[in-house]
Amino acid sequence: QQQVKQSPQSLIVQKGGISIINCAYENTAFDYFPWYQQFPGKGPALLIAIRPDVSEKKEGRFTISFNKSAKQFSLHIMDSQPGDSATYFCAASPGTGFQKLVFGTGTRLLVSP
Amino acid sequence: NAGVMQNPRHLVRRRGQEARLRCSPMKGHSHVYWYRQLPEEGLKFMVYLQKENIIDESGMPKERFSAEFPKEGPSILRIQQVVRGDSAAYFCASSLSGTPNTEAFFGQGTRLTVV
Repeated sequence: QQQVKQSPQSLIVQKGGISIINCAYENTAFDYFPWYQQFPGKGPALLIAIRPDVSEKKEGRFTISFNKSAKQFSLHIMDSQPGDSATYFCAASPGTGFQKLVFGTGTRLLVSP
Repeated sequence: NAGVMQNPRHLVRRRGQEARLRCSPMKGHSHVYWYRQLPEEGLKFMVYLQKENIIDESGMPKERFSAEFPKEGPSILRIQQVVRGDSAAYFCASSLSGTPNTEAFFGQGTRLTVV
């Protein structure tokens, strides 16, 4: 019940295309859903986050879609660029503190020129 | 304004040796978190510390692992008598406060290899 399932494991998208990464959870106590971006040799960096009182949040080319009834959320990267090539992690927490974040297993995105 | 600093970046230890991983939080941050990332897996929470206190160590293995965050100096994650299964990337994060959903910033990690 503490798991966050993430798919796909890897993704190749052409430059200018849309990258879509999906996550699903079971724990209904989760109420904070961030996405992290990690470049090789670097630590994860917060990209965008959503709370379940909204169904969508957009920041630039990055959009989170949230479906509370299905317990699913996804990251959409519009107009994908080679510089977006990285590993993306979804995460979830019950809002009781950073230490309670449960991470997905990651999606390795490659945007081809 | 330096970010979270971890050292060493890479550490190689033989089985049975001790590994000491250091983390200096961002300036002004007094909350530190340690996470472990095994190959092809997501990050798993290990321990949450404030200055001189362990707040939550529910993710720490019961044996061989310990953590501290002294009044002065960096936070230390110590692994005694390392085994091959300890090989992983260890990330430290720091935050300004411990309030819910507070943003924490990760360091670049220490990659531990046990041979």
